[in-house]
Amino acid sequence: ELVLTQSPGTLSLSPGERATLSCRARQSVSSTYLAWYQQKPGQAPRLLIYGASNRATGIPDRFSGSGSGTDFTLTISRLEPEDFAVYYCQQYGSSLTFGGGTKVEIK
Amino acid sequence: QVQLQESGPGLVKPSGTLSLTCGVSGGSISRSNWWSWVRQPPGKGLEWIGEIYHSGSTNYNPSLKSRATISVDKSKNQFSLKLSSVTAADSAIYFCARVEDYYYTMDVWGQGITVTVSS
Repeated sequence: ELVLTQSPGTLSLSPGERATLSCRARQSVSSTYLAWYQQKPGQAPRLLIYGASNRATGIPDRFSGSGSGTDFTLTISRLEPEDFAVYYCQQYGSSLTFGGGTKVEIK
Repeated sequence: QVQLQESGPGLVKPSGTLSLTCGVSGGSISRSNWWSWVRQPPGKGLEWIGEIYHSGSTNYNPSLKSRATISVDKSKNQFSLKLSSVTAADSAIYFCARVEDYYYTMDVWGQGITVTVSS
């Protein structure tokens, strides 16, 4: 099983600040199959980024994804109040796995 | 647009079998997509359970493969999950999702259904 490790576990920031979330894999992941999701309390996850760097339909351009190989990053350039949530990375290789999540909370 | 809706019992007895169905509306389950089940224990992260193609081909999380069975009913435009020999550790919110078949992302999700394993 390909393990994805997300860091930090919790990120405490203020609206308007920049958020940088990390997703690391124990072995190389194809960028094509690396995605990011946002989940708010009581809701299903929502696809944000696919193919490591492509925004899904309707996702604001303050969200961006980057990385390759074993290191991937989700960046939120300026946090809006609605961005405080939990974020998960996901990969598909021989199987499908999610990272443990990063909670972005209001400082 | 495609919408997904989970249904099934919210309470299952230990050692029993959890059975859930995901109804697909606004589109055909026979499109070129895989259809997945994902679960989330209370206060924890997401765990992929498995997926099915309309042809009936399946893939499972190795950790659940021995207990999980996913099937499809094209006539009803739905797919189902059975998880056998459940314990309290199987208590979770269960989501169904559509898998976009090039980038392998889950682009449409159901709202989720809470299942509790308890006597």
